[in-house]
Amino acid sequence: DAKTTQPTSMDCAEGRAANLPCNHSTISGNEYVYWYRQIHSQGPQYIIHGLKNNETNEMASLIITEDRKSSTLILPHATLRDTAVYYCIVRTNNDYKLSFGAGTTVTVRA
Amino acid sequence: KAGVTQTPRYLIKTRGQQVTLSCSPISGHRSVSWYQQTPGQGLQFLFEYFSETQRNKGNFPGRFSGRQFSNSRSEMNVSTLELGDSALYLCASSPAQGSGFSYEQYFGPGTRLTVT
Repeated sequence: DAKTTQPTSMDCAEGRAANLPCNHSTISGNEYVYWYRQIHSQGPQYIIHGLKNNETNEMASLIITEDRKSSTLILPHATLRDTAVYYCIVRTNNDYKLSFGAGTTVTVRA
Repeated sequence: KAGVTQTPRYLIKTRGQQVTLSCSPISGHRSVSWYQQTPGQGLQFLFEYFSETQRNKGNFPGRFSGRQFSNSRSEMNVSTLELGDSALYLCASSPAQGSGFSYEQYFGPGTRLTVT
């Protein structure tokens, strides 16, 4: 069973914020929310992760709801180079492997 | 810090041959994982090395093997190549410490292997 649910695709205008939702209603207390992205034919790129507090780094912000059943990845000023497949996953400290679902294909348009 | 590097980036081999792929992790990272990615199967875990020891292994045949050196660099080998081995092979390093795996994984650009 998939642990996360993401929209199949979304478009975003260049320069605007991109808000990518993810549902993880069965998340356990010890599971973190991770976001990765993969630009066509390149290796996946780690973006951000969090447990229950909102997180921000140079790439994005992660907003996790208080009940932790959903989260939103925010790309504050999308550029054409942000066009990629974005993966939301949940994993514990002891999960030694990553497994991606279908993810959200984000297309940033000029 | 330099990122994860993988060599070669592209490779074309013939069925029955063997191939060795190399991965240099981010400096200070002791954990290296290998994945196979194909359009049909998605991202599949091959194995993970930590401090020169294979710590975890995926569900791949014995033709797929790997090793890690004392400087954390890693190699994976595929013997007796089959057409179905054509894929993007990804290496990921992690600053994981001890027995936990509580950290993010940083991927290299991958090696695109084509078997003809």
